[in-house]
Amino acid sequence: EVVLTQSPGTLSFSPGERATLSCRASQSVNTKFFVWYQQKHGRAPRVLIYATSSRATGIPDRFSGSGSGTDFTLTISRLEPEDFAVYYCQQYGSSPYTFGQGTKVEIK
Amino acid sequence: QVQLVESGGGVVQPGRSLRLSCSASGFSISRYAMHWVRQAPGKGLECVAQIPFDGNKIVYADSVRGRFTISRDNSQNTVSLQMNSLTVEDTAVYYCATWAFTLGIDYWGQGTLVTVSS
Repeated sequence: EVVLTQSPGTLSFSPGERATLSCRASQSVNTKFFVWYQQKHGRAPRVLIYATSSRATGIPDRFSGSGSGTDFTLTISRLEPEDFAVYYCQQYGSSPYTFGQGTKVEIK
Repeated sequence: QVQLVESGGGVVQPGRSLRLSCSASGFSISRYAMHWVRQAPGKGLECVAQIPFDGNKIVYADSVRGRFTISRDNSQNTVSLQMNSLTVEDTAVYYCATWAFTLGIDYWGQGTLVTVSS
């Protein structure tokens, strides 16, 4: 099983700041099958980035993804108030599909 | 309008069984793998079961293998999750989901809460 580790668990920023979130895999992940989700309280997750770096439909261009092998990054170039949420990475190239434990982006 | 609607959640005693259903509308599930993803209170996401479009090569998380069974009925546009021998660790919101990102598909239900408690 591919274990995805997101650290730290919580990051604090002010609106307008740049946020960089990290996800490290226990083994190499095919970049085609690496995803970032955003989840707000009480709601289902929604995809932000798929295939490591492709923005999903309707996702603003302040969100970007990068990475390869075992190290992946989600960057939010300029945090808007609606971006404060929990972010999960996921791989679905190897069964069972796995998620990271999440990084909460909170307002400083 | 695309929808996935889960049902069947509730409160159940440890050791008992529960069956969740997911009804899709607005699209046909027959072409897509379907997934059950759960989230324990205050915790992260876990893929518990996935079933390919043709029902072959089903995969379960280690935590549920041997106790949970996923199935699908493409003619009824539904997916089910039979959960047996439930434990308190199975308490979670269970989401039905499917994704095909290159096609712009990322569909999730609203979730159904399963509480295992004596």
